[in-house]
Parts: sequence; structure tokens; C-alpha cells
Amino acid sequence: DQQVKQNSPSLSVQEGRISILNCDYTNSMFDYFLWYKKYPAEGPTFLISISSIKDKNEDGRFTVFLNKSAKHLSLHIVPSQPGDSAVYFCAASVLNTPLVFGKGTRLSVIA
Amino acid sequence: EAGVVQSPRYKIIEKKQPVAFWCNPISGHNTLYWYLQNLGQGPELLIRYENEEAVDDSQLPKDRFSAERLKGVDSTLKIQPAELGDSAVYLCASSVGLAGAQETQYFGPGTRLLVL
Repeated sequence: DQQVKQNSPSLSVQEGRISILNCDYTNSMFDYFLWYKKYPAEGPTFLISISSIKDKNEDGRFTVFLNKSAKHLSLHIVPSQPGDSAVYFCAASVLNTPLVFGKGTRLSVIA
Repeated sequence: EAGVVQSPRYKIIEKKQPVAFWCNPISGHNTLYWYLQNLGQGPELLIRYENEEAVDDSQLPKDRFSAERLKGVDSTLKIQPAELGDSAVYLCASSVGLAGAQETQYFGPGTRLLVL
């Protein structure tokens, strides 16, 4: 039973347009959410996080939105750049329990 | 500042053989994690150390997997004997403090294991 779901295995976006990556979760106890980015042959790199007391967190071109009632979060990248092409993992945690990762979404930004 | 270092980067072994992976976390990081990442999946925690103490090893298959973090710095993960299903990427990560999963974790490049 997957507690964190990324239902889109892949996404292609034109350079300069908005990329929207989605993540759904089933455990209503999750109180902290993160996005990691992974390039081939490298480990995941932390991108942005959000606490359950907020519904939005912004860092430059990256914004994460949290909809607790829908158990849904999304990562917006505006504008998308070719260097953003990577696999993006959504992760969630509650208190001091381990991070639970989704399966990832492969983003391709086309020049 | 150097990142998390892992070695080897790649390892090919025959089933039933032993294998060991090494991780050196970022200097000053108290918490160290070992993750398993299967193809097409996200990382899954195997074990977490706070300094030299294993505080969460509930997902570690203890019949064949073992880990240690002597002196609370670098760590070794061992599989003996390896099985075909162990083929995966083994990721090491570290974080500064002891606040658990809500600390930012810094990942190494991983060790890709292939068991034939």
C-alpha cells in the first residue's frame, strides 16, 4: 500500500512554460512534505519543503502547494529550464518516522 | 564542502557472495541513513544512525544485512549472502542534527549493485 503516490511517471514541458508535478498521499498524519530532484548517476538533492501548517512555500522558480483536505501537493516550476530535466520525488513524514518517498516523475524540459 | 562519499560506485557479484558498501557522511553530520532504491521506485529507508546508535533498523533484513557506524562517523553496510533480488542502488544520506526525518538529508551518489 503506497502512502505517497506520484501517478505520472513522466512529463514533458516546453522551455519557458510551467511544469506542474503532482503528488497524492493517503496518511492524514503526515505533517511535513518535501521534494527531491535526482539527476542520473547522482543521489537525490533536496529542493523544497512545506509544513502542514502552510499551504504554500516558494523558493525562486519553485513553489510547492499543499491541499490538506484533498491530501494533495504539487510542485510548480516557472519558468521551466532544460537544466530542470530530472526525476522529481515527493516525500512525506510524520513526527520522527522515516521519510516515505513516491516513485518519482521524470520531467523533460524541451528547448 | 565535500558531500556524502560512497564507494564503490558500482559492484557486480555472483549470488551467495558477500558485498560491502562504505559511506562517509558530510563532516559534522550526526545522523546517517542507508536507503535502498529499486528500479522505478523511490528510496526506502533501511537503517538510521544517530551518532553511533542505530535508532531505526526496522526495515533492515537482519538475516542477511548488517550495518555499523563505528565512532559515529563513516558507516558500512554489508550483505551476506547476496541474492538476485538485492540488485538495486544503495544510497547513503546524512543530516546535521537529530531531529529525524524533518531534517534536510544530503544524499551520496549511491552504489549500484548487480547480483548475477
